[in-house]
Amino acid sequence: GNSVTQMEGPVTLSEEAFLTINCTYTATGYPSLFWYVQYPGEGLQLLLKATKADDKGSNKGFEATYRKETTSFHLEKGSVQVSDSAVYFCALINLQTGANNLFFGTGTRLTVIP
Amino acid sequence: EAGVAQSPRYKIIEKRQSVAFWCNPISGHATLYWYQQILGQGPKLLIQFQNNGVVDDSQLPKDRFSAERLKGVDSTLKIQPAKLEDSAVYLCASSLNGGNSYEQYFGPGTRLTVT
Repeated sequence: GNSVTQMEGPVTLSEEAFLTINCTYTATGYPSLFWYVQYPGEGLQLLLKATKADDKGSNKGFEATYRKETTSFHLEKGSVQVSDSAVYFCALINLQTGANNLFFGTGTRLTVIP
Repeated sequence: EAGVAQSPRYKIIEKRQSVAFWCNPISGHATLYWYQQILGQGPKLLIQFQNNGVVDDSQLPKDRFSAERLKGVDSTLKIQPAKLEDSAVYLCASSLNGGNSYEQYFGPGTRLTVT
């Protein structure tokens, strides 16, 4: 089946620190991979995506590379800001199985302190 | 472009009562999703519509949950009767589904508390 496992939180970092949130997936074939972000009081927003192996998604200084060999899609940012405090969800869609709904990880809460 | 609208934003009910949530997707989006997000977990799909037809309702507890999307635009999700374990955020999302565009856009959600 399709599933996503992501790093347990919460994660607390100082401003300008390096961020990594690990995400691995289980799926047949070649799913598309996503990172969604949920800021306090707001809905889920797409942060970045990658649709095939070795693709790198990037947005707002965040990056993630689709690694087929390790079934991973780790989220990274070189220098976090207080405004990055949010909950981050890794997710996949597996169109090859005929389902175009998202399968989400459990979410990782990031708090950035000044 | 207006986003996905949901109402109400918050709802508190007692167990065994009924409740309904409303969603208006982005104009022109053919596919509409309802997800349930229990505290500390990721969202899980309840039901997916393509226009006004159901594509996937395999995870919908049909003994108490129902959903409809009349005219292929807005949608309602109903719970009757509610149980304590239904306390969650109910998220509505929509997608265009044109070509390779399966990107989903989410509404702000409805937070349901069942006491």
